[in-house]
Amino acid sequence: KNEVEQSPQNLTAQEGEFITINCSYSVGISALHWLQQHPGGGIVSLFMLSSGKKKHGRLIATINIQEKHSSLHITASHPRDSAVYICAVESDKLIFGTGTRLQVFP
Amino acid sequence: GAVVSQHPSWVICKSGTSVKIECRSLDFQATTMFWYRQFPKQSLMLMATSNEGSKATYEQGVEKDKFLINHASLTLSTLTVTSAHPEDSSFYICSASNRKNNSPLHFGNGTRLTVT
Repeated sequence: KNEVEQSPQNLTAQEGEFITINCSYSVGISALHWLQQHPGGGIVSLFMLSSGKKKHGRLIATINIQEKHSSLHITASHPRDSAVYICAVESDKLIFGTGTRLQVFP
Repeated sequence: GAVVSQHPSWVICKSGTSVKIECRSLDFQATTMFWYRQFPKQSLMLMATSNEGSKATYEQGVEKDKFLINHASLTLSTLTVTSAHPEDSSFYICSASNRKNNSPLHFGNGTRLTVT
């Protein structure tokens, strides 16, 4: 079993829909990252969390340390949000989830 | 925002040659740099962690003599793939952070290496 599990693996949405991507982990962590990888490979760091909730524009990330779970929400999704979203946790090293491929159609 | 420049963005080389990939933090001091590789449709795999001025820490299964990492300054780390083989063909990505102020990770745009 992977130490970091993401769900769903693939997600298709219509423009405007509210999207949730989940990340569960089984190790002790000092921080959790949500990353966005575009088709060309470039990676953008969206959030770094150690507790609570963060919001940036239409993106919201939450983390529950006790339950070892984090969610990334996208409100009013747009085709330009189409990308792979990766959860990564900082334990004794960086451990990555396998990613969630999101496609948003107009 | 903070920028990490990775160069080259793509490279094709012949088997047996060495390839150097550079990762520069342009507007912050990167106390720690990470190197990853990514195979098609798979997630990132951490190869090694390097702290400025000290030897890199390699992940299990990553050959340190094959993937040479140098982090000689707070703005530059290099990954050299030595005696490259076709199975080394992959997407290599660096990220950088300043651990002293707990800054988030900033990623380079990656280098696509093809070994023929």
